Amino acid sequence: SQQGEEDPQALSIQEGENATMNCSYKTSINNLQWYRQNSGRGLVHLILIRSNEREKHSGRLRVTLDTSKKSSSLLITASRAADTASYFCATDAGTDKLIFGTGTRLQVFP
Amino acid sequence: DTAVSQTPKYLVTQMGNDKSIKCEQNLGHDTMYWYKQDSKKFLKIMFSYNNKELIINETVPNRFSPKSPDKAHLNLHINSLELGDSAVYFCASSQGFIDQPQHFGDGTRLSIL
Repeated sequence: SQQGEEDPQALSIQEGENATMNCSYKTSINNLQWYRQNSGRGLVHLILIRSNEREKHSGRLRVTLDTSKKSSSLLITASRAADTASYFCATDAGTDKLIFGTGTRLQVFP
Repeated sequence: DTAVSQTPKYLVTQMGNDKSIKCEQNLGHDTMYWYKQDSKKFLKIMFSYNNKELIINETVPNRFSPKSPDKAHLNLHINSLELGDSAVYFCASSQGFIDQPQHFGDGTRLSIL
């Protein structure tokens, strides 16, 4: 079964609103990464957060990690139409490979 | 300059044929990967190479054979293509292993007729 599952599967918001996506995983991790995938393109790395970190920021992105709950969230503030994409979390699950979640499809309407 | 480039972008072929996908990265990374993304957008690792050596072989049928002539290139050859091979195949690279961000190519969309 998959390591990571994102919630919600799909999210539609208006420009300017905030978007929050959640990722839950099953086994202990060393780090968790978030990626964005625009339609027809490859994945683009957004943020990497290590298991001893609780929060990280990058521009309009804020990622939190709660290892006790085995969950992470990605917050995009003041969303733009260009943020429309699928967002994936990925964990190492204590192994030597990244295991990707199921993804959240974000649609931002102008 | 494109950091991770794959060719071709689209591949349409008949069942039973053999095809290859090429990947090159100009980032100076020492680890390269092949991933398969299915129609539900589920992304799964197939292979990983570090400095031309196979590190991960994720129970992929032996019809799939990766080759890394040097650490900047990782090609994927597929023999006797089957309908279930239809997917988007992504190449990626990173400096080091999974504690580093991965850089992805734009994918090769393989369609089997």
